[in-house]
Amino acid sequence: GDSVTQMEGPVTLSEEAFLTINCTYTATGYPSLFWYVQYPGEGLQLLLKATKADDKGSNKGFEATYRKETTSFHLEKGSVQVSDSAVYFCALLGYSTLTFGKGTMLLVSP
Amino acid sequence: EAQVTQNPRYLITVTGKKLTVTCSQNMNHEYMSWYRQDPGLGLRQIYYSMNVEVTDKGDVPEGYKVSRKEKRNFPLILESPSPNQTSLYFCASSTLKDRGAYNEQFFGPGTRLTVL
Repeated sequence: GDSVTQMEGPVTLSEEAFLTINCTYTATGYPSLFWYVQYPGEGLQLLLKATKADDKGSNKGFEATYRKETTSFHLEKGSVQVSDSAVYFCALLGYSTLTFGKGTMLLVSP
Repeated sequence: EAQVTQNPRYLITVTGKKLTVTCSQNMNHEYMSWYRQDPGLGLRQIYYSMNVEVTDKGDVPEGYKVSRKEKRNFPLILESPSPNQTSLYFCASSTLKDRGAYNEQFFGPGTRLTVL
């Protein structure tokens, strides 16, 4: 079945540092890929998405590129802020279900 | 405002006492789904529905029931809750496209359930 593996956290960074959160997947067919973000005490919000190979999703300074050859969808941001502290989930959309990774907590200190 | 609402937001109950968590969306979405979120496990799908009167099991359906009598509502029913169902529950909805593929899911704010 479909599965998503993302790096375990917490990831602890200083403000303005570069962020990478790794995400790899296994799936049949051609899934769509997503990053969701969950701020403390809140629900999940879609951060960005990519629907086919080589697509780059971007939003709020975050980027991720759909790499079919390496089955990856790593999340990057050039300069993190304290307000980016949250849990980030990589997710794969198959035919009828959305499969999530376990989440990576990001902690950004001033 | 387009949104998914859940009620209650917080619930503490005792083992065996039937409860229902409601979910409603105002976006005319065909697809609705329930997830539970547990530390170290991420989100796991409980049940989903691709339209009215059409429901199917997700990855962890045991101990749960759902119904989809109206397009906008998708309640989650725990007939006899147990402590291992203590969790954070999210409802989500989305549109459906061709061949069942669908757009990104919109999530409700979550319901934190504690079963004593």
